[in-house]
Amino acid sequence: GNSVTQMEGPVTLSEEAFLTINCTYTATGYPSLFWYVQYPGEGLQLLLKATKADDKGSNKGFEATYRKETTSFHLEKGSVQVSDSAVYFCALSGMDSNYQLIWGAGTKLIIKP
Amino acid sequence: DAGVIQSPRHEVTEMGQEVTLRCKPISGHDYLFWYRQTMMRGLELLIYFNNNVPIDDSGMPEDRFSAKMPNASFSTLKIQPSEPRDSAVYFCASSFRTAGEKLFFGSGTQLSVL
Repeated sequence: GNSVTQMEGPVTLSEEAFLTINCTYTATGYPSLFWYVQYPGEGLQLLLKATKADDKGSNKGFEATYRKETTSFHLEKGSVQVSDSAVYFCALSGMDSNYQLIWGAGTKLIIKP
Repeated sequence: DAGVIQSPRHEVTEMGQEVTLRCKPISGHDYLFWYRQTMMRGLELLIYFNNNVPIDDSGMPEDRFSAKMPNASFSTLKIQPSEPRDSAVYFCASSFRTAGEKLFFGSGTQLSVL
């Protein structure tokens, strides 16, 4: 079945550092891929998405590229801020799961000033 | 738009009591989801509705849990009787057309069962 694997957290970085959060997936066909972010005390919100191979999703300085050959959708940001501290969830939606979102475990990101 | 509205924000109750969580989805959205989030298990889908009809409740942990959606603007998740292991944050989310589209989450209900 479909599954999503994220790197374990917490990930701790200094402000202005480069961020990568790894996400790999297992699915048949061509799922859509998502990154959601959860700020403290809030619900999740969509950060970015990509719907086909080689697509790049981007938002708020974050980027992720849909890599079919490596079944990956790593999240990157060139220079993180303290306000980026949150939990990041990778997810996929595909035919195998009846287009319901399959979630990764989440990666907590801590940015120190 | 006010977004997905959940109430209460916090609920503290004693074991054995009935708990009712409420959700108002975004107007026009035809999918509604109930999730549970814990440190141990992460984010779990409990049940989802399409046009007020329950589609998949395979994630509901036990018969103690039930969910209803009497109309397009209101849903409830009920736990009766509640147990300490039900302590979690419960989220409601809604989306338009398909779950593969953007999900909008409420702020959640923090449930503590003593």
